[in-house]
Amino acid sequence: AQTVTQSQPEMSVQEAETVTLSCTYDTSESNYYLFWYKQPPSRQMILVIRQEAYKQQNATENRFSVNFQKAAKSFSLKISDSQLGDTAMYFCAFMKHGSSNTGKLIFGQGTTLQVKP
Amino acid sequence: EPEVTQTPSHQVTQMGQEVILRCVPISNHLYFYWYRQILGQKVEFLVSFYNNEISEKSEIFDDQFSVERPDGSNFTLKIRSTKLEDSAMYFCASRRGTLRTDTQYFGPGTRLTVL
Repeated sequence: AQTVTQSQPEMSVQEAETVTLSCTYDTSESNYYLFWYKQPPSRQMILVIRQEAYKQQNATENRFSVNFQKAAKSFSLKISDSQLGDTAMYFCAFMKHGSSNTGKLIFGQGTTLQVKP
Repeated sequence: EPEVTQTPSHQVTQMGQEVILRCVPISNHLYFYWYRQILGQKVEFLVSFYNNEISEKSEIFDDQFSVERPDGSNFTLKIRSTKLEDSAMYFCASRRGTLRTDTQYFGPGTRLTVL
């Protein structure tokens, strides 16, 4: 079974600074996907960034980038130039790859990020 | 931009009552999901649905739960006899097709309170 662990329940950062959220996972699969979802106070979850395990290059989306270390099973999210609108809970998630996969996401416990003015 | 919608936003019910939570996935999506999030805890997978049948379900999804796509646009989750521990936020999600490129889009959730 796969597990996803986020060891930082809460973090804070000053506006315009950089923050890194940690995520580790456990799996015996060789092909999979990893995601970071953002859940603002409105509670609708929004995809921030995704990474395919077979790609060595780290994914980036504007101010958001990941540090994917496959051997270490680590998938951290870096938010650069933090903005007040980045305040949210962030979930790391895992999905198996393969024809038998149903697309089920396995989530970590979440990290609450507060961006301070 | 198309989005997943859910109704109601908040449902209060008495223990033992049946509830139906409704979702309208994005119109050209083929795969549908229900997740739940107990307050302060992680989001948990309940069930996935494709081609009018359940493709995977979790241990949480016992005989008290059922899903249905009654009319080609709605996707419902029914809890037959609610328990106090069913109180949670329930999220519907959908995705179009190919795993390699698809994203799951989530609805805003229904907060279920069982008294």
